[in-house]
Amino acid sequence: ETGVTQSPTHLIKTRGQQVTLRCSSQSGHNTVSWYQQALGQGPQFIFQYYREEENGRGNFPPRFSGLQFPNYSSELNVNALELDDSALYLCASSLKGVDGYTFGSGTRLTVV
Amino acid sequence: DAKTTQPTSMDCAEGRAANLPCNHSTISGNEYVYWYRQIHSQGPQYIIHGLKNNETNEMASLIITEDRKSSTLILPHATLRDTAVYYCIVRVGDYKLSFGAGTTVTVRA
Repeated sequence: ETGVTQSPTHLIKTRGQQVTLRCSSQSGHNTVSWYQQALGQGPQFIFQYYREEENGRGNFPPRFSGLQFPNYSSELNVNALELDDSALYLCASSLKGVDGYTFGSGTRLTVV
Repeated sequence: DAKTTQPTSMDCAEGRAANLPCNHSTISGNEYVYWYRQIHSQGPQYIIHGLKNNETNEMASLIITEDRKSSTLILPHATLRDTAVYYCIVRVGDYKLSFGAGTTVTVRA
């Protein structure tokens, strides 16, 4: 059983650019959630995807968007990057209706 | 989701039990108490959860007070690898996890 894998592990972007982060969910899981974790803070919920549709969203602007693919993998896209977008982005997968999230190790995004 | 309050940090001696408190005085009847931990540079890891009964698994024990307004996570024999940030979360359903700042636990040799 493979866990959640995220790519890339580290990324540096310039303010105003766009970025795409990728996540492969754990085998057997059909739901993917994304979290943003700023330095020294707990993770903050961005959104969740189930059956390729957004299933809930946290307090993040529309320039944060996502996709889920038929194989349950997912992408997080952030447009018009701002310095405050610098953070660890975490992906978590789960099976809908069954408790328990499995988190990946995250992508460290630095915006300069 | 109900708000939780945890101490900012705590130290623990290796081999001793670590007792991590959490207050959740506004918890509602159908909200579960969850504990996750995050070791440096890794994603959060599920530890345990419960509704009103005490729970135990291979990692830890969870003690929930009768009024459910507080709980304690117990690591029975702390090791250096238990050094991490521990998050107490209350929620209903499988929608999202609302993390606070957590408790930074340092296990010392």
